[in-house]
Amino acid sequence: NAGVTQTPKFRILKIGQSMTLQCTQDMNHNYMYWYRQDPGMGLKLIYYSVGAGITDKGEVPNGYNVSRSTTEDFPLRLELAAPSQTSVYFCASSQGNSPLHFGNGTRLTVT
Amino acid sequence: TQLLEQSPQFLSIQEGENLTVYCNSSSVFSSLQWYRQEPGEGPVLLVTVVTGGEVKKLKRLTFQFGDARKDSSLHITAAQPGDTGLYLCAGNSGTYKYIFGTGTRLKVLA
Repeated sequence: NAGVTQTPKFRILKIGQSMTLQCTQDMNHNYMYWYRQDPGMGLKLIYYSVGAGITDKGEVPNGYNVSRSTTEDFPLRLELAAPSQTSVYFCASSQGNSPLHFGNGTRLTVT
Repeated sequence: TQLLEQSPQFLSIQEGENLTVYCNSSSVFSSLQWYRQEPGEGPVLLVTVVTGGEVKKLKRLTFQFGDARKDSSLHITAAQPGDTGLYLCAGNSGTYKYIFGTGTRLKVLA
């Protein structure tokens, strides 16, 4: 079972560039999340979704956008990359009160 | 804004020692989870606690949820090098929005 798959694993962006981080899950989970993790720190919630067509802001949504057109996919868009967005990004999914299932992360560097 | 503060932030101990990690908030959570994360990987769930005062044991790990459901602790007995990692607590206030704590990085020396 694939679980939660994130692509790419690594990316280097120049300031002002845009990119989309992809996340897909094959567990038919309704809930999906995007977190960022700065070195040695906990995770900060960027956006989350409780189902297809429904998204909501988390703790640190500025500079990001998301969409949820299908149950499986929850892409995260950075429109104008800034050095402050250098981080490791984790996508996760869950169903009801089940635990969060995480992908292996995307390491993004903005220079 | 809900905040989860973990302490200590870093902990380096010898194999065989005991330790306790704390997770504190001024907010009430309907459930709280503990995760462990290893380098280059996503966090993996250790336990979920949902009832105030609840105690759960997982081999050498003991988890407790505070009576007021605002805090939690993780106690490890006779730590082993395999326990090394980043420990994270995560609270859910009933909206399926999971907020994570600041993390405790544990290193167990052989």
